[in-house]
Amino acid sequence: EIVMTQSPATLSVSPGERATLSCRASRSVRSNLAWYQQKPGQAPRLLIYDSSTRATGIPARFSGSGSGTEFTLTISSLQSEDFAVYHCQQYNNWFTFGGGTKVEIK
Amino acid sequence: EVQLVESGGGLVQPGGSLRLSCAASGFTFSNYAMHWVRQAPGKGLESVSAIGSDADTTYYADSVKGRFTISRDNSKNTLCLQMGSLRAEDMAVYYCARAVNVGGGIIYDIWGQGTMVTVSS
Repeated sequence: EIVMTQSPATLSVSPGERATLSCRASRSVRSNLAWYQQKPGQAPRLLIYDSSTRATGIPARFSGSGSGTEFTLTISSLQSEDFAVYHCQQYNNWFTFGGGTKVEIK
Repeated sequence: EVQLVESGGGLVQPGGSLRLSCAASGFTFSNYAMHWVRQAPGKGLESVSAIGSDADTTYYADSVKGRFTISRDNSKNTLCLQMGSLRAEDMAVYYCARAVNVGGGIIYDIWGQGTMVTVSS
Protein backbone atom coordinates (compact mmCIF):
# COMPACT_ATOMS: atom_id res chain seq x y z
CA GLU A 1 0.00 0.00 0.00
CA ILE A 2 1.21 3.48 -0.83
CA VAL A 3 1.26 5.64 2.28
CA MET A 4 0.51 9.33 1.88
CA THR A 5 1.86 11.74 4.48
CA GLN A 6 0.66 15.32 4.71
CA SER A 7 2.38 18.15 6.50
CA PRO A 8 1.86 20.13 8.53
CA ALA A 9 -1.12 18.66 10.36
CA THR A 10 -2.35 22.17 11.10
CA LEU A 11 -1.45 25.40 9.34
CA SER A 12 -2.34 28.75 10.86
CA VAL A 13 -2.63 31.48 8.26
CA SER A 14 -4.03 35.01 8.18
CA PRO A 15 -6.61 35.90 5.52
CA GLY A 16 -4.87 37.20 2.42
CA GLU A 17 -1.69 35.28 3.10
CA ARG A 18 -0.27 32.40 1.11
CA ALA A 19 -0.65 28.81 2.29
CA THR A 20 1.60 25.96 1.21
CA LEU A 21 0.59 22.39 1.98
CA SER A 22 2.76 19.34 1.40
CA CYS A 23 1.99 15.73 0.55
CA ARG A 24 4.53 12.95 0.30
CA ALA A 25 4.07 9.45 -1.13
CA SER A 26 5.93 6.41 0.17
CA ARG A 27 6.81 5.53 -3.42
CA SER A 28 6.28 7.18 -6.77
CA VAL A 29 2.71 7.88 -7.85
CA ARG A 30 3.85 9.72 -10.98
CA SER A 31 1.44 12.66 -11.34
CA ASN A 32 -1.60 10.68 -10.17
CA LEU A 33 -2.35 12.95 -7.24
CA ALA A 34 -5.54 14.79 -6.33
CA TRP A 35 -6.40 17.36 -3.68
CA TYR A 36 -9.77 17.69 -1.96
CA GLN A 37 -11.15 20.36 0.35
CA GLN A 38 -13.44 19.38 3.22
CA LYS A 39 -15.37 21.74 5.48
CA PRO A 40 -16.88 20.61 8.80
CA GLY A 41 -19.90 18.40 8.30
CA GLN A 42 -19.50 18.40 4.53
CA ALA A 43 -18.29 15.95 1.93
CA PRO A 44 -14.91 16.45 0.31
CA ARG A 45 -14.79 18.62 -2.80
CA LEU A 46 -12.38 17.97 -5.65
CA LEU A 47 -9.89 20.81 -6.16
CA ILE A 48 -6.97 19.48 -8.19
CA TYR A 49 -6.22 16.29 -10.14
CA ASP A 50 -3.27 15.04 -12.14
CA SER A 51 -1.15 16.97 -9.63
CA SER A 52 -1.80 20.39 -11.17
CA THR A 53 -5.11 20.48 -13.09
CA ARG A 54 -7.84 22.49 -11.39
CA ALA A 55 -11.27 20.92 -11.34
CA THR A 56 -14.22 22.72 -12.87
CA GLY A 57 -15.12 25.90 -11.01
CA ILE A 58 -12.06 25.95 -8.77
CA PRO A 59 -10.57 29.46 -8.41
CA ALA A 60 -7.14 30.21 -9.82
CA ARG A 61 -5.75 30.94 -6.36
CA PHE A 62 -5.54 27.16 -5.90
CA SER A 63 -2.56 25.55 -7.61
CA GLY A 64 -0.89 22.17 -7.40
CA SER A 65 2.56 20.96 -8.31
CA GLY A 66 4.88 18.01 -8.00
CA SER A 67 5.41 14.51 -9.32
CA GLY A 68 6.80 11.25 -8.10
CA THR A 69 6.72 11.42 -4.33
CA GLU A 70 6.58 15.13 -3.47
CA PHE A 71 3.56 17.33 -4.03
CA THR A 72 2.41 20.79 -3.03
CA LEU A 73 -0.92 22.58 -2.87
CA THR A 74 -0.65 26.36 -2.79
CA ILE A 75 -3.43 28.78 -1.98
CA SER A 76 -2.10 32.12 -3.12
CA SER A 77 -4.26 34.45 -1.02
CA LEU A 78 -6.46 32.82 1.56
CA GLN A 79 -10.11 33.78 1.58
CA SER A 80 -12.47 33.17 4.50
CA GLU A 81 -14.10 30.27 2.68
CA ASP A 82 -10.76 28.49 2.27
CA PHE A 83 -10.34 27.61 5.93
CA ALA A 84 -10.92 23.87 5.87
CA VAL A 85 -9.19 20.50 5.86
CA TYR A 86 -7.27 19.53 2.73
CA HIS A 87 -6.70 15.92 1.73
CA CYS A 88 -4.30 14.58 -0.86
CA GLN A 89 -5.09 11.29 -2.63
CA GLN A 90 -2.98 9.10 -4.88
CA TYR A 91 -4.69 7.08 -7.57
CA ASN A 92 -1.68 5.42 -9.15
CA ASN A 93 -2.18 2.19 -7.21
CA TRP A 94 -5.73 1.73 -5.84
CA PHE A 95 -6.51 4.87 -3.79
CA THR A 96 -4.99 6.12 -0.60
CA PHE A 97 -5.40 9.43 1.16
CA GLY A 98 -3.17 11.47 3.41
CA GLY A 99 -4.22 12.29 6.94
CA GLY A 100 -5.21 15.82 5.99
CA THR A 101 -3.98 19.33 6.75
CA LYS A 102 -6.25 21.67 8.63
CA VAL A 103 -5.92 25.29 7.51
CA GLU A 104 -7.09 27.51 10.33
CA ILE A 105 -7.35 31.23 10.87
CA LYS A 106 -4.32 32.75 12.56
CA GLU B 1 -28.40 19.05 -10.37
CA VAL B 2 -25.90 16.23 -10.03
CA GLN B 3 -26.51 14.64 -6.66
CA LEU B 4 -25.71 11.60 -4.55
CA VAL B 5 -27.74 10.91 -1.41
CA GLU B 6 -26.75 8.16 1.03
CA SER B 7 -29.02 6.46 3.51
CA GLY B 8 -29.09 3.42 5.76
CA GLY B 9 -26.58 4.35 8.40
CA GLY B 10 -27.24 3.85 12.08
CA LEU B 11 -26.27 2.05 15.25
CA VAL B 12 -25.36 -1.63 14.98
CA GLN B 13 -23.81 -4.08 17.41
CA PRO B 14 -20.41 -5.63 16.76
CA GLY B 15 -20.86 -8.61 14.48
CA GLY B 16 -24.05 -7.17 13.04
CA SER B 17 -25.02 -6.16 9.52
CA LEU B 18 -26.16 -2.99 7.80
CA ARG B 19 -27.06 -2.05 4.24
CA LEU B 20 -26.19 1.37 2.89
CA SER B 21 -27.79 2.89 -0.19
CA CYS B 22 -26.85 5.78 -2.42
CA ALA B 23 -29.41 7.38 -4.73
CA ALA B 24 -27.99 9.12 -7.77
CA SER B 25 -29.66 11.84 -9.81
CA GLY B 26 -28.82 14.47 -12.39
CA PHE B 27 -26.50 12.32 -14.47
CA THR B 28 -26.47 9.04 -16.39
CA PHE B 29 -25.68 6.73 -13.50
CA SER B 30 -24.96 3.71 -15.71
CA ASN B 31 -22.02 5.51 -17.35
CA TYR B 32 -19.95 5.76 -14.20
CA ALA B 33 -18.04 3.53 -11.84
CA MET B 34 -18.98 4.21 -8.24
CA HIS B 35 -17.06 3.93 -4.99
CA TRP B 36 -17.64 3.90 -1.26
CA VAL B 37 -15.23 5.96 0.84
CA ARG B 38 -15.30 6.13 4.62
CA GLN B 39 -13.97 8.48 7.26
CA ALA B 40 -13.65 7.35 10.85
CA PRO B 41 -14.14 10.04 13.51
CA GLY B 42 -11.14 12.38 13.49
CA LYS B 43 -9.36 10.28 10.88
CA GLY B 44 -8.52 10.46 7.20
CA LEU B 45 -10.41 9.09 4.23
CA GLU B 46 -10.30 5.44 3.15
CA SER B 47 -11.57 4.01 -0.14
CA VAL B 48 -13.27 0.74 0.77
CA SER B 49 -15.05 -0.54 -2.32
CA ALA B 50 -15.68 0.12 -5.99
CA ILE B 51 -17.92 -1.19 -8.73
CA GLY B 52 -17.72 -0.82 -12.48
CA SER B 53 -20.34 1.01 -14.49
CA ASP B 54 -22.18 -2.16 -15.46
CA ALA B 55 -21.33 -4.04 -12.27
CA ASP B 56 -18.92 -6.29 -14.11
CA THR B 57 -16.05 -5.59 -11.77
CA THR B 58 -15.83 -5.00 -8.05
CA TYR B 59 -12.96 -4.08 -5.75
CA TYR B 60 -12.55 -4.19 -2.00
CA ALA B 61 -9.95 -2.86 0.40
CA ASP B 62 -8.29 -5.59 2.41
CA SER B 63 -9.88 -4.15 5.55
CA VAL B 64 -13.39 -5.08 4.35
CA LYS B 65 -12.80 -7.97 1.94
CA GLY B 66 -15.06 -10.90 2.68
CA ARG B 67 -17.35 -8.83 4.89
CA PHE B 68 -18.71 -6.12 2.60
CA THR B 69 -20.48 -6.50 -0.75
CA ILE B 70 -20.97 -3.67 -3.21
CA SER B 71 -23.77 -3.71 -5.77
CA ARG B 72 -25.72 -1.41 -8.04
CA ASP B 73 -29.04 -1.25 -9.85
CA ASN B 74 -28.69 0.91 -12.92
CA SER B 75 -32.43 0.78 -13.58
CA LYS B 76 -33.00 2.46 -10.21
CA ASN B 77 -29.87 4.66 -10.17
CA THR B 78 -28.90 3.13 -6.87
CA LEU B 79 -25.61 1.99 -5.34
CA CYS B 80 -25.54 -0.28 -2.29
CA LEU B 81 -23.05 -1.53 0.26
CA GLN B 82 -23.99 -4.59 2.28
CA MET B 83 -21.85 -4.64 5.40
CA GLY B 84 -21.50 -7.71 7.60
CA SER B 85 -19.47 -8.88 10.60
CA LEU B 86 -19.14 -5.25 11.59
CA ARG B 87 -16.31 -4.24 13.88
CA ALA B 88 -15.61 -1.17 15.98
CA GLU B 89 -13.06 -0.07 13.40
CA ASP B 90 -15.80 0.06 10.75
CA MET B 91 -17.44 2.96 12.55
CA ALA B 92 -17.26 5.92 10.20
CA VAL B 93 -19.11 8.28 7.91
CA TYR B 94 -19.62 6.43 4.64
CA TYR B 95 -19.66 8.45 1.44
CA CYS B 96 -20.59 7.29 -2.02
CA ALA B 97 -18.55 8.95 -4.73
CA ARG B 98 -18.68 9.10 -8.49
CA ALA B 99 -15.49 7.98 -10.20
CA VAL B 100 -14.27 9.61 -13.39
CA ASN B 101 -11.30 8.82 -15.60
CA VAL B 102 -8.62 11.47 -15.87
CA GLY B 103 -5.12 11.43 -17.35
CA GLY B 104 -3.59 8.92 -15.00
CA GLY B 105 -6.48 7.09 -13.48
CA ILE B 106 -9.67 7.57 -11.54
CA ILE B 107 -10.68 10.40 -9.23
CA TYR B 108 -13.84 11.26 -7.32
CA ASP B 109 -15.62 14.29 -8.76
CA ILE B 110 -18.97 14.06 -6.97
CA TRP B 111 -19.57 12.98 -3.39
CA GLY B 112 -22.69 12.39 -1.34
CA GLN B 113 -23.22 14.03 2.05
CA GLY B 114 -22.41 10.82 3.89
CA THR B 115 -24.19 8.48 6.30
CA MET B 116 -22.88 7.61 9.75
CA VAL B 117 -22.35 4.02 10.82
CA THR B 118 -21.87 3.47 14.55
CA VAL B 119 -20.71 0.07 15.78
CA SER B 120 -21.23 -0.31 19.49
CA SER B 121 -22.79 -2.64 22.01
